[in-house]
Amino acid sequence: DSGVTQTPKHLITATGQRVTLRCSPRSGDLSVYWYQQSLDQGLQFLIQYYNGEERAKGNILERFSAQQFPDLHSELNLSSLELGDSALYFCASSVAPDGYEQYFGPGTRLTVT
Amino acid sequence: GENVEQHPSTLSVQEGDSAVIKCTYSDSASNYFPWYKQELGKRPQLIIDIRSNVGEKKDQRIAVTLNKTAKHFSLHITETQPEDSAVYFCAASIPAPGASGTYKYIFGTGTRLKVLA
Repeated sequence: DSGVTQTPKHLITATGQRVTLRCSPRSGDLSVYWYQQSLDQGLQFLIQYYNGEERAKGNILERFSAQQFPDLHSELNLSSLELGDSALYFCASSVAPDGYEQYFGPGTRLTVT
Repeated sequence: GENVEQHPSTLSVQEGDSAVIKCTYSDSASNYFPWYKQELGKRPQLIIDIRSNVGEKKDQRIAVTLNKTAKHFSLHITETQPEDSAVYFCAASIPAPGASGTYKYIFGTGTRLKVLA
């Protein structure tokens, strides 16, 4: 167990809908990274927050957004869902904004039908 | 561009043999290179990492080497065991524009390692 938690574990929804994925970092970690892993694909960096502030953006679609709250948990919002958004979504946390030694949560498997 | 190439995509070895996975990165500003092991349906687990100020790091049966000049880094697993079977990902840090001390991470496409008993 990495100490990073994610909810829900599974999510099935229809095209056009909006979902929210939640991540709680390890105790003491201030940085949260979000990644997308499609079937048989590598990990694609989406966005990073550090102590409530957005610090880095990757290939995140405009339909996706995220935030980090004062208690340091983070939420990834996915809207106008398309079939191609079906994937595993992982968050990872680290102590510092550099992202060294990231520990991953168990992931949320999103299925869009 | 921002790219990490990883080879091979699949690797089968006999139990007890060594396995080597190689990655090449493109951004000369990359300074941190972690390796993750992902078992089927599980989270990626950090198994070893190396920073750009060292050339080699070892942890029991696992070692990582870094050649900054050639922009290559490699994972070496010795005395492989069936439980080493998994997908292994390399990654490289890329400085995030406009945010000092912040990095985004580019991952390789993964190597599926099978250790045959």
